[in-house]
Amino acid sequence: DGGITQSPKYLFRKEGQNVTLSCEQNLNHDAMYWYRQDPGQGLRLIYYSQIVNDFQKGDIAEGYSVSREKKESFPLTVTSAQKNPTAFYLCASSIRRDRGYRADNEQFFGPGTRLTVL
Amino acid sequence: AQTVTQSQPEMSVQEAETVTLSCTYDTSESNYYLFWYKQPPSRQMILVIRQEAYKQQNATENRFSVNFQKAAKSFSLKISDSQLGDTAMYFCACYGGATNKLIFGTGTLLAVQP
Repeated sequence: DGGITQSPKYLFRKEGQNVTLSCEQNLNHDAMYWYRQDPGQGLRLIYYSQIVNDFQKGDIAEGYSVSREKKESFPLTVTSAQKNPTAFYLCASSIRRDRGYRADNEQFFGPGTRLTVL
Repeated sequence: AQTVTQSQPEMSVQEAETVTLSCTYDTSESNYYLFWYKQPPSRQMILVIRQEAYKQQNATENRFSVNFQKAAKSFSLKISDSQLGDTAMYFCACYGGATNKLIFGTGTLLAVQP
């Protein structure tokens, strides 16, 4: 089955530690995204990548870093510089806007990771 | 910049009845797309329905339909014959081709009562 996997489902971190959230997709999508979800604020874009070895900051990139060394993988690191990291993190992927028939950029989401800072 | 506004934080409907969720948006782009996503208690985001802005005809998907009012920048979701499994958070979202970003509203929590 094609889809997006995120691991772990729940993650606990001590203050001052960096932590990396995994996101893998086997949909052969070029573009991948990371969102943060907080109560009452919907989804906010952290980083996105349209192609391997390239990524752009979203609206709330401070305190986060990403890499895109492989098409299938887009890990997110939450650094100690992120002042309020406790949240639900969602990864998504889509076909690149200039390819295929899905020019509407429908995004397919993973099951999410709940990060709690202790 | 694009914005999406959902003014109903919570709604409730009886099973088998019809409910409408509101969404307004603002964008300067001429080529854009609108979506409704559902997030049940499992927190998995699921696409419910999409609407291309250049199409005048309202999109429908089984019990789900939209009322797209382009001039008013309104994009409401109607759920007919509500089922218990429709209980979820519903997010309206707008994608603009130039910005290449999907902007979400803050969501409406829908509870379907037996």
